Amino acid sequence: DTAVSQTPKYLVTQMGNDKSIKCEQNLGHDTMYWYKQDSKKFLKIMFSYNNKELIINETVPNRFSPKSPDKAHLNLHINSLELGDSAVYFCASSQDLRGEKLFFGSGTQLSVL
Amino acid sequence: DQQVKQNSPSLSVQEGRISILNCDYTNSMFDYFLWYKKYPAEGPTFLISISSIKDKNEDGRFTVFLNKSAKHLSLHIVPSQPGDSAVYFCAASATNDYKLSFGAGTTVTVRA
Repeated sequence: DTAVSQTPKYLVTQMGNDKSIKCEQNLGHDTMYWYKQDSKKFLKIMFSYNNKELIINETVPNRFSPKSPDKAHLNLHINSLELGDSAVYFCASSQDLRGEKLFFGSGTQLSVL
Repeated sequence: DQQVKQNSPSLSVQEGRISILNCDYTNSMFDYFLWYKKYPAEGPTFLISISSIKDKNEDGRFTVFLNKSAKHLSLHIVPSQPGDSAVYFCAASATNDYKLSFGAGTTVTVRA
């Protein structure tokens, strides 16, 4: 029974396409996140939501739009995909806003060709 | 600018010996530090943490040491086991800053 699940696990697409990644957590946590792991392996926060409210937006291009229909779900929609968007995207959740102890999903490997 | 740095990308250690992973940070406002462990094709999982009011925290085979004056922390794994082979990420946060800053990770390989 996966605590934080994200789909798809792999996503291969052409430049210019629009794609979505879905995330769900069954931990009852109030806060959810999207992190990006780039080619240098750093994990960088993109967005965080607390009870469906946007808390953090880390200067991510507006082609990236998160949507939280309820506090158990946080989806990521990416418009007009670019080569530089290729990365691993991790969804995560935490019990509180401070978000220190994160529970991560298994990641979505996005490859833009 | 990376505020959390793990300068050793990899570490190889013999089973049963000690693994020591190092992490440096630049932001003096950081007051909470964590280590995460990551296996291939999985997300990172929380391993151990330490608050800035302490200089040591121990959990079984894992001990984290914090040297605030040097802005340095380390993770000791004793004894190292084959299942410890993974990537270890150091992370830090500051009060009222609702996000973690991660290092680039250190890949640990435990040899039989």
